[in-house]
Parts: sequence; structure tokens; C-alpha cells
Amino acid sequence: GAVVSQHPSRVICKSGTSVKIECRSLDFQATTMFWYRQFPKQSLMLMATSNEGSKATYEQGVEKDKFLINHASLTLSTLTVTSAHPEDSSFYICSALGQGPLNYGYTFGSGTRLTVV
Amino acid sequence: SQQGEEDPQALSIQEGENATMNCSYKTSINNLQWYRQNSGRGLVHLILIRSNEREKHSGRLRVTLDTSKKSSSLLITASRAADTASYFCATDVQGAQKLVFGQGTRLTINP
Repeated sequence: GAVVSQHPSRVICKSGTSVKIECRSLDFQATTMFWYRQFPKQSLMLMATSNEGSKATYEQGVEKDKFLINHASLTLSTLTVTSAHPEDSSFYICSALGQGPLNYGYTFGSGTRLTVV
Repeated sequence: SQQGEEDPQALSIQEGENATMNCSYKTSINNLQWYRQNSGRGLVHLILIRSNEREKHSGRLRVTLDTSKKSSSLLITASRAADTASYFCATDVQGAQKLVFGQGTRLTINP
């Protein structure tokens, strides 16, 4: 089946620094990838949708200059949290939408727990 | 953006009982999916029901979909302690190519 690898699983960074999270589709091509954020005891909130080779589409209220998304290839999307602050501490989850005859549908990574100190 | 509501927000039952969770949504959909999430962990895909389906079964899971009411329900029969988790519905929004999650139900199964 389809597998999405997300790395790192946990990261602690100092306030003001930037953190990059990677999301890779391991055995299928994903023309579209999604980034979600989840605060404790809350649901997953869609942050942005990225299509390979084009600019990401951000949901209302999500700062595109703070959450930089790059989808440079059909198997890799990255989310960079720039100038991180403690309020950015959250669980970030990516999802990849598979294309092709097998139609994998939406496959989720295992998430990244970001703690900003 | 959130698609809709789930109720109850929290549910606590005894092992062996059935658990029912409901989900309502706002837009037209291609399909609706249910996921489980254990505390602090990733998502586990449980079941997908297409917009032209009304009911689907998978093991101890039964999902219904009423597109006229824009609602779905997830029934877990003969619950087990290992079913303790948060359950989310997610709608594949028609025309938008994105999956939007409901607010979730925290299910606790007491041994």
C-alpha cells in the first residue's frame, strides 16, 4: 500500500529559529500534498495545499510567509516554520494524494511534534 | 477550515457496549472517511464511504451516510479497551480536492 514518510517525528527548537519538516511519498507519485496542524485535544486544521511545481494554496488565516511550503518533486513536499514562536508548537501532519490507476487516495504521514522553547 | 460538527465531543462507555458517533458536514462531497487517532499519534484510516453509498461495513465498524441531511454515523460494535481513541470524520470536498476534518469524538472504553 501507499506509504508517506514524515520527518522528523519530533523537534524542539528555540524561539526565533526556523524548522523544516519533510513529507515524502515512498512508493507513489503525489501531485498534491496537504499540510495540517493539530493543537492538543483539537481536530486537524488544513493549513495549505501544495501542487508539484506551483505555489501552495493557503487556507484563510494561515500566514504564507511564516509557513513556507515547497513541493519541488512528485514525491517530496517540505513545510518550513520560519521565526518560530511558542504558539507555533503543535502537531503537524502531511498528507499526499496519489494519482494513477491504483488511486491510492489520501495517505497521511505519522506527524511531527514541534515544540518551540 | 472545519467542515462541520461531530457529536458527541466525548463518549465514555463500558467494554462490550456499542459506540455511535455522528458527523455533519456542509458541502457536497465525493466521499466521507473515518479515521482513528490514538493520543499524540498519527491517523489510522478506518473506512471510506462514497457519496452514492448509504451504508458500509468493515469488521465491527458500520458507517452510514445520508447526503440529503449531510450527515454520517460511525458505529463500533462490541467495543474493546483498545478502541479508546479520538475518531474523526473527514470529507473529500467535491470540486476542491481536499480532505476536511470534523471536530472529532474522544471515545473512552472502560474495562
